[in-house]
Amino acid sequence: GDSVTQMEGPVTLSEEAFLTINCTYTATGYPSLFWYVQYPGEGLQLLLKATKADDKGSNKGFEATYRKETTSFHLEKGSVQVSDSAVYFCALFPPLDKLIFGTGTRLQVFP
Amino acid sequence: KAGVTQTPRYLIKTRGQQVTLSCSPISGHRSVSWYQQTPGQGLQFLFEYFSETQRNKGNFPGRFSGRQFSNSRSEMNVSTLELGDSALYLCASSPGASGTDTQYFGPGTRLTVL
Repeated sequence: GDSVTQMEGPVTLSEEAFLTINCTYTATGYPSLFWYVQYPGEGLQLLLKATKADDKGSNKGFEATYRKETTSFHLEKGSVQVSDSAVYFCALFPPLDKLIFGTGTRLQVFP
Repeated sequence: KAGVTQTPRYLIKTRGQQVTLSCSPISGHRSVSWYQQTPGQGLQFLFEYFSETQRNKGNFPGRFSGRQFSNSRSEMNVSTLELGDSALYLCASSPGASGTDTQYFGPGTRLTVL
């Protein structure tokens, strides 16, 4: 079945470092891909999305490109801040189906 | 526009009791989905409702049920609570049927079963 694999955390970085969180997926159709972020004690917030191959989603300095050839949707940010500390979830959404989430990657950014 | 709201935010119950959680979607959204989040199992899909009809269902026992009202508000019920039902229950709404529509999440209801 369809699935999402995320890199294990925690990812620990210093402020202003470059961030990459890997996400790969397995899907039989043409799913949309999402990154959600969860801050402590809160629900999920949509960070960015891409609905077709080669689309690039971006928001708040974060970017991810829908790569069909490598079945990947890696999250990147050029310079992280302490306020980016959270858990990041990659998810795929097959048409007429349900959101399938990865296990989440905790990011810790230190000053 | 107001976001997705969930009530209550926190709930403590004992084994064997039942519980009802409520979700109000973003105005104009017709689809509501429910998810369970636990440290061990992560985020798991429970069910989705669209225009008062259940469109999709995850792999949960029949103790978990839901419904949607004509104003798109949704409720989720868990009967005969077990310790393992302790979790954060998240509701998400989207404008239309599942697919490319983005799902917007509420803050969740944290259920603790003692």
